[in-house]
Amino acid sequence: GEDVEQSLFLSVREGDSSVINCTYTDSSSTYLYWYKQEPGAGLQLLTYIFSNMDMKQDQRLTVLLNKKDKHLSLRIADTQTGDSAIYFCAESMGGGYQKVTFGTGTKLQVIP
Amino acid sequence: GAVVSQHPSWVICKSGTSVKIECRSLDFQATTMFWYRQFPKQSLMLMATSNEGSKATYEQGVEKDKFLINHASLTLSTLTVTSAHPEDSSFYICSAFTSTGGTEAFFGQGTRLTVV
Repeated sequence: GEDVEQSLFLSVREGDSSVINCTYTDSSSTYLYWYKQEPGAGLQLLTYIFSNMDMKQDQRLTVLLNKKDKHLSLRIADTQTGDSAIYFCAESMGGGYQKVTFGTGTKLQVIP
Repeated sequence: GAVVSQHPSWVICKSGTSVKIECRSLDFQATTMFWYRQFPKQSLMLMATSNEGSKATYEQGVEKDKFLINHASLTLSTLTVTSAHPEDSSFYICSAFTSTGGTEAFFGQGTRLTVV
């Protein structure tokens, strides 16, 4: 079955860049997502990338995909205290109707 | 983006009672909704796929008689936790896709259930 893994915790200083890593096992994954979850809240989609892309940039966020190694990363530039949250990477095979498999989540702590 | 509203945000109930959680797509029609459960410090685990007008598809290990799912309309799916026990205490989140498909799932804000 599908398996998505992340490191559990990351601590960075405000203003530095954060890099959250994720590995997945399903080579048929088509969509790879990054979600943000703030305490007690639901999930917010930050960005996603198609499996035929290597990189996607959206303002402070940069997603890198190494399909060969099945490795996905999320870089947050100029990390702010408001970025403190749990970040989940996720994958699915298809767009609208496929289930999404989530990683374990990485708790990002931003130190002022 | 599309909005998915989940209600209630939190609920406390006594053991043995049933609790209903609603998931509504506010500005789009959702033929498919998903229900997830999140244990503390763990990832989200898919419980079931809810399809409008048909029976839900449950993941292995999820008791369908305990977690009743009803998707009676294109904008509403409900999850009822029957005869709740303390081990059912968890964070439940629903998600929905639009009828036209699309690449992102829109998530509700989640419901924190505490069974005492």
